[in-house]
Amino acid sequence: GNSVTQMEGPVTLSEEAFLTINCTYTATGYPSLFWYVQYPGEGLQLLLKATKADDKGSNKGFEATYRKETTSFHLEKGSVQVSDSAVYFCALSKGGTSYGKLTFGQGTILTVHP
Amino acid sequence: DTGVSQDPRHKITKRGQNVTFRCDPISEHNRLYWYRQTLGQGPEFLTYFQNEAQLEKSRLLSDRFSAERPKGSFSTLEIQRTEQGDSAMYLCASSSEGLAHEQYFGPGTRLTVT
Repeated sequence: GNSVTQMEGPVTLSEEAFLTINCTYTATGYPSLFWYVQYPGEGLQLLLKATKADDKGSNKGFEATYRKETTSFHLEKGSVQVSDSAVYFCALSKGGTSYGKLTFGQGTILTVHP
Repeated sequence: DTGVSQDPRHKITKRGQNVTFRCDPISEHNRLYWYRQTLGQGPEFLTYFQNEAQLEKSRLLSDRFSAERPKGSFSTLEIQRTEQGDSAMYLCASSSEGLAHEQYFGPGTRLTVT
């Protein structure tokens, strides 16, 4: 079946540090890949997406590139802020009748200190 | 647009009791999803509706669980004869059909079974 594996957390960084959160997936065919973020006290929200190989999703300074050869979708940001502290979830979606059904990784807690 | 709302936000019940949760999606969204999230894990898909039709159910959704969306607007998730293993956060999300992977999540209902 489909699955998503994220790097173990939590991750603690100082403000302006470089962020990488690793994500790898297992799926047949060509899934779409996503990063969702959950800020404290809020619901999950879509951060960025990529729907085919070599696509780069980007939003709010975050980027992730769909790498089919390594089945990865690592999240990066060049300079994190305290306001980026949240839980980050990597997810995938297959096409067909399951399109829209999301399979999530376990989440990575990010804490950014001033 | 007030976003996805869920009621109640918290529910404590005794083992063996029945509980019902409500989800109100974003009004123009015709797709509605239910997920379950346990501590330290990502959300797991339970079921989804397109308008009033329930199109897919996960194996996680045992016979004690039932979901409805009678008029294609709000949805209810009922758990009968609750067990301690049902303790989790129950998340509702909605989307348009054409952007099914861009799901908007509610704040969740936290269920504790004692």
